[in-house]
Amino acid sequence: TQLLEQSPQFLSIQEGENLTVYCNSSSVFSSLQWYRQEPGEGPVLLVTVVTGGEVKKLKRLTFQFGDARKDSSLHITAAQPGDTGLYLCAGEGFAGGFKTIFGAGTRLFVKA
Amino acid sequence: NAGVTQTPKFQVLKTGQSMTLQCAQDMNHEYMSWYRQDPGMGLRLIHYSVGAGITDQGEVPNGYNVSRSTTEDFPLRLLSAAPSQTSVYFCATFNTGELFFGEGSRLTVL
Repeated sequence: TQLLEQSPQFLSIQEGENLTVYCNSSSVFSSLQWYRQEPGEGPVLLVTVVTGGEVKKLKRLTFQFGDARKDSSLHITAAQPGDTGLYLCAGEGFAGGFKTIFGAGTRLFVKA
Repeated sequence: NAGVTQTPKFQVLKTGQSMTLQCAQDMNHEYMSWYRQDPGMGLRLIHYSVGAGITDQGEVPNGYNVSRSTTEDFPLRLLSAAPSQTSVYFCATFNTGELFFGEGSRLTVL
Protein backbone atom coordinates (compact mmCIF):
# COMPACT_ATOMS: atom_id res chain seq x y z
CA THR A 1 0.00 0.00 0.00
CA GLN A 2 1.37 3.38 -0.98
CA LEU A 3 1.37 5.97 1.78
CA LEU A 4 2.13 9.67 1.78
CA GLU A 5 3.17 11.33 5.03
CA GLN A 6 2.91 15.08 5.37
CA SER A 7 4.58 17.26 7.96
CA PRO A 8 3.84 19.32 9.86
CA GLN A 9 0.15 18.63 10.38
CA PHE A 10 -0.53 22.15 11.67
CA LEU A 11 1.33 25.41 11.20
CA SER A 12 0.46 28.82 12.59
CA ILE A 13 2.77 31.65 11.56
CA GLN A 14 2.87 35.43 11.30
CA GLU A 15 2.43 37.25 8.02
CA GLY A 16 5.77 37.66 6.27
CA GLU A 17 7.36 34.47 7.59
CA ASN A 18 8.64 31.65 5.38
CA LEU A 19 7.58 28.01 5.73
CA THR A 20 8.16 24.60 4.22
CA VAL A 21 5.77 21.65 4.10
CA TYR A 22 7.08 18.15 3.45
CA CYS A 23 5.54 15.13 1.78
CA ASN A 24 7.35 11.79 2.08
CA SER A 25 6.79 8.24 0.95
CA SER A 26 8.66 4.96 0.64
CA SER A 27 7.04 4.47 -2.78
CA VAL A 28 7.94 5.90 -6.16
CA PHE A 29 5.28 7.96 -7.89
CA SER A 30 4.90 8.85 -11.56
CA SER A 31 4.01 12.36 -10.43
CA LEU A 32 3.21 14.31 -7.30
CA GLN A 33 0.60 17.00 -7.03
CA TRP A 34 -0.14 19.72 -4.51
CA TYR A 35 -3.71 20.77 -3.85
CA ARG A 36 -5.08 23.56 -1.70
CA GLN A 37 -8.43 23.28 0.03
CA GLU A 38 -10.47 26.04 1.66
CA PRO A 39 -13.31 25.42 4.16
CA GLY A 40 -16.49 24.15 2.53
CA GLU A 41 -14.85 23.55 -0.82
CA GLY A 42 -13.11 20.76 -2.65
CA PRO A 43 -9.34 20.68 -3.20
CA VAL A 44 -7.98 22.68 -6.12
CA LEU A 45 -4.79 21.75 -7.96
CA LEU A 46 -1.81 24.07 -7.45
CA VAL A 47 0.92 22.22 -9.32
CA THR A 48 2.07 18.85 -10.67
CA VAL A 49 5.71 17.75 -10.60
CA VAL A 50 6.74 14.88 -12.82
CA THR A 51 10.52 14.72 -13.21
CA GLY A 52 12.85 13.76 -10.34
CA GLY A 53 14.60 16.90 -9.05
CA GLU A 54 12.08 19.17 -10.74
CA VAL A 55 11.44 22.60 -9.22
CA LYS A 56 8.37 24.65 -10.06
CA LYS A 57 7.51 28.14 -8.91
CA LEU A 58 4.06 29.66 -8.62
CA LYS A 59 4.50 33.26 -7.44
CA ARG A 60 5.64 32.92 -3.78
CA LEU A 61 5.24 29.14 -3.78
CA THR A 62 8.12 26.83 -4.73
CA PHE A 63 7.52 23.12 -5.26
CA GLN A 64 10.23 20.48 -5.49
CA PHE A 65 10.10 16.79 -6.45
CA GLY A 66 12.79 14.59 -4.92
CA ASP A 67 15.41 13.03 -7.15
CA ALA A 68 14.05 9.55 -6.41
CA ARG A 69 10.44 10.68 -6.96
CA LYS A 70 9.42 9.58 -3.48
CA ASP A 71 9.09 12.95 -1.78
CA SER A 72 8.19 16.57 -2.39
CA SER A 73 8.25 19.90 -0.60
CA LEU A 74 6.28 23.11 -0.76
CA HIS A 75 8.00 26.32 0.31
CA ILE A 76 6.07 29.56 0.79
CA THR A 77 8.02 32.81 0.93
CA ALA A 78 6.63 35.78 2.87
CA ALA A 79 3.34 34.10 3.75
CA GLN A 80 0.16 36.15 3.59
CA PRO A 81 -3.23 35.63 5.31
CA GLY A 82 -4.62 34.62 1.92
CA ASP A 83 -2.33 31.56 2.02
CA THR A 84 -4.36 30.16 4.92
CA GLY A 85 -5.82 26.77 4.06
CA LEU A 86 -5.28 23.03 3.94
CA TYR A 87 -2.42 21.91 1.70
CA LEU A 88 -2.59 18.35 0.41
CA CYS A 89 0.05 16.41 -1.42
CA ALA A 90 -1.14 13.66 -3.73
CA GLY A 91 0.70 10.91 -5.51
CA GLU A 92 -0.21 9.43 -8.83
CA GLY A 93 0.90 5.84 -9.16
CA PHE A 94 1.55 4.01 -12.36
CA ALA A 95 -1.99 2.62 -12.47
CA GLY A 96 -3.54 5.91 -13.46
CA GLY A 97 -4.34 9.28 -11.94
CA PHE A 98 -7.87 8.38 -11.06
CA LYS A 99 -6.40 6.26 -8.24
CA THR A 100 -4.43 9.16 -6.80
CA ILE A 101 -3.61 8.81 -3.10
CA PHE A 102 -3.49 11.74 -0.71
CA GLY A 103 -1.49 12.73 2.31
CA ALA A 104 -3.36 13.79 5.48
CA GLY A 105 -2.68 17.46 4.78
CA THR A 106 -1.02 20.44 6.43
CA ARG A 107 -3.34 23.03 7.89
CA LEU A 108 -1.73 26.47 7.58
CA PHE A 109 -2.91 29.58 9.39
CA VAL A 110 -1.23 32.88 8.60
CA LYS A 111 -1.91 35.64 11.10
CA ALA A 112 -2.01 39.27 9.97
CA ASN B 1 -19.77 26.24 -16.16
CA ALA B 2 -20.88 24.05 -13.22
CA GLY B 3 -18.02 21.50 -13.29
CA VAL B 4 -18.75 18.84 -10.65
CA THR B 5 -22.02 19.22 -8.74
CA GLN B 6 -22.79 17.27 -5.57
CA THR B 7 -26.10 17.00 -3.75
CA PRO B 8 -27.05 17.21 -0.98
CA LYS B 9 -24.47 19.43 0.72
CA PHE B 10 -25.54 18.32 4.19
CA GLN B 11 -27.39 15.23 5.39
CA VAL B 12 -28.14 13.65 8.77
CA LEU B 13 -29.08 9.98 8.88
CA LYS B 14 -29.96 7.49 11.57
CA THR B 15 -28.03 4.24 11.80
CA GLY B 16 -29.45 1.72 9.34
CA GLN B 17 -30.99 4.22 6.95
CA SER B 18 -30.04 4.26 3.30
CA MET B 19 -29.38 7.18 1.03
CA THR B 20 -27.73 8.23 -2.22
CA LEU B 21 -25.23 11.02 -2.71
CA GLN B 22 -25.58 12.46 -6.18
CA CYS B 23 -22.70 13.58 -8.39
CA ALA B 24 -23.04 15.14 -11.83
CA GLN B 25 -20.41 16.58 -14.16
CA ASP B 26 -20.67 18.62 -17.33
CA MET B 27 -17.03 18.35 -18.47
CA ASN B 28 -17.41 15.07 -20.39
CA HIS B 29 -14.59 13.47 -18.39
CA GLU B 30 -14.43 9.68 -18.54
CA TYR B 31 -12.90 9.12 -15.11
CA MET B 32 -14.93 9.77 -11.96
CA SER B 33 -14.29 8.87 -8.34
CA TRP B 34 -15.61 9.20 -4.82
CA TYR B 35 -13.41 10.08 -1.85
CA ARG B 36 -14.16 10.49 1.82
CA GLN B 37 -12.25 13.00 3.95
CA ASP B 38 -11.77 12.46 7.66
CA PRO B 39 -9.69 14.54 10.09
CA GLY B 40 -6.05 13.46 10.13
CA MET B 41 -6.56 10.88 7.38
CA GLY B 42 -6.66 12.87 4.18
CA LEU B 43 -8.79 11.80 1.26
CA ARG B 44 -9.40 8.08 0.80
CA LEU B 45 -10.69 6.57 -2.43
CA ILE B 46 -14.01 4.70 -2.09
CA HIS B 47 -14.95 3.74 -5.66
CA TYR B 48 -14.00 4.91 -9.11
CA SER B 49 -15.17 4.59 -12.69
CA VAL B 50 -13.20 4.74 -15.92
CA GLY B 51 -16.30 5.19 -18.06
CA ALA B 52 -20.01 4.50 -18.37
CA GLY B 53 -20.81 0.95 -17.29
CA ILE B 54 -17.43 0.37 -15.60
CA THR B 55 -16.79 0.74 -11.87
CA ASP B 56 -14.19 -0.60 -9.46
CA GLN B 57 -13.33 -0.50 -5.78
CA GLY B 58 -10.89 1.87 -4.18
CA GLU B 59 -9.22 1.76 -0.78
CA VAL B 60 -12.35 1.84 1.44
CA PRO B 61 -15.32 0.41 -0.53
CA ASN B 62 -17.16 -1.49 2.22
CA GLY B 63 -20.68 -0.19 2.90
CA TYR B 64 -20.89 1.74 -0.37
CA ASN B 65 -22.22 0.95 -3.84
CA VAL B 66 -21.83 2.88 -7.08
CA SER B 67 -23.12 2.70 -10.63
CA ARG B 68 -22.26 4.60 -13.82
CA SER B 69 -25.07 4.45 -16.34
CA THR B 70 -24.06 7.70 -18.06
CA THR B 71 -20.85 9.70 -18.46
CA GLU B 72 -22.39 12.57 -16.50
CA ASP B 73 -23.63 10.87 -13.33
CA PHE B 74 -21.89 8.81 -10.65
CA PRO B 75 -24.10 8.30 -7.57
CA LEU B 76 -22.79 6.84 -4.31
CA ARG B 77 -25.20 4.68 -2.32
CA LEU B 78 -25.05 3.90 1.38
CA LEU B 79 -27.15 0.79 1.90
CA SER B 80 -27.28 0.76 5.71
CA ALA B 81 -25.60 3.79 7.23
CA ALA B 82 -23.27 3.36 10.20
CA PRO B 83 -21.72 6.03 12.49
CA SER B 84 -18.31 5.15 10.99
CA GLN B 85 -19.57 6.59 7.71
CA THR B 86 -19.85 10.07 9.20
CA SER B 87 -17.54 12.05 6.94
CA VAL B 88 -17.26 14.60 4.17
CA TYR B 89 -17.64 12.98 0.76
CA PHE B 90 -16.09 14.37 -2.41
CA CYS B 91 -16.85 13.40 -5.97
CA ALA B 92 -14.13 14.12 -8.52
CA THR B 93 -13.43 13.76 -12.21
CA PHE B 94 -9.95 13.21 -13.60
CA ASN B 95 -8.56 14.57 -16.84
CA THR B 96 -5.05 15.34 -18.16
CA GLY B 97 -3.33 14.90 -14.84
CA GLU B 98 -5.77 16.83 -12.67
CA LEU B 99 -8.57 15.91 -10.31
CA PHE B 100 -11.59 18.24 -10.36
CA PHE B 101 -13.59 18.10 -7.14
CA GLY B 102 -17.11 18.99 -6.20
CA GLU B 103 -17.80 21.08 -3.11
CA GLY B 104 -18.44 18.04 -0.93
CA SER B 105 -21.34 16.47 0.93
CA ARG B 106 -21.17 16.43 4.73
CA LEU B 107 -22.87 13.33 6.13
CA THR B 108 -23.58 12.68 9.80
CA VAL B 109 -24.83 9.27 10.92
CA LEU B 110 -26.36 9.19 14.40
